[in-house]
Amino acid sequence: NAGVTQTPKFRILKIGQSMTLQCAQDMNHNYMYWYRQDPGMGLKLIYYSVGAGITDKGEVPNGYNVSRSTTEDFPLRLELAAPSQTSVYFCASSYGRTGDGYTFGSGTRLTVV
Amino acid sequence: DAKTTQPPSMDCAEGRAANLPCNHSTISGNEYVYWYRQIHSQGPQYIIHGLKNNETNEMASLIITEDRKSSTLILPHATLRDTAVYYCIVRTGANNLFFGTGTRLTVIP
Repeated sequence: NAGVTQTPKFRILKIGQSMTLQCAQDMNHNYMYWYRQDPGMGLKLIYYSVGAGITDKGEVPNGYNVSRSTTEDFPLRLELAAPSQTSVYFCASSYGRTGDGYTFGSGTRLTVV
Repeated sequence: DAKTTQPPSMDCAEGRAANLPCNHSTISGNEYVYWYRQIHSQGPQYIIHGLKNNETNEMASLIITEDRKSSTLILPHATLRDTAVYYCIVRTGANNLFFGTGTRLTVIP
């Protein structure tokens, strides 16, 4: 049981480049989430999805896009990378019931130079 | 969702119980209290959650006061591997977990 898998683990982008952070879960969870964590700070929600075909903005969505074509996958797209997007990105999933915990991936460390 | 207040850091001797406090004075009746921890730069790890009653699992115990305005996470026998940042979170819906800055617990040999 792999849980939540994120790729890549590390990436360096130049300003203005684009990339997609991949996230896949094999637990048949309905809900999936993308968070970012800046140094010394807590996690902030970027986007979330309550099921295939449904996505919604979180606290800090600007500069990002998402899609959810399948239950398993929830990719995060950065279109025009900026230094402010240098962060560690975590994907998470859950069944979506109030008492459920989240399962997090191991993160993608992104540096924009 | 209600906000929480935690001390920024705590130390605990190895083998002793670690008691991590959390204040959530604005919690509402249907909000759960969750605890997660983050070891170094790994993804947060779920520890335990509760609504009104005290809870215990293989990792920890959660003590919630009768008025639900505060709670304590107890790690009964702290080990060096428990050194981490611990987040206390209250929430109603499934759409977001609000992570504050948490408590950095250092277990000392």
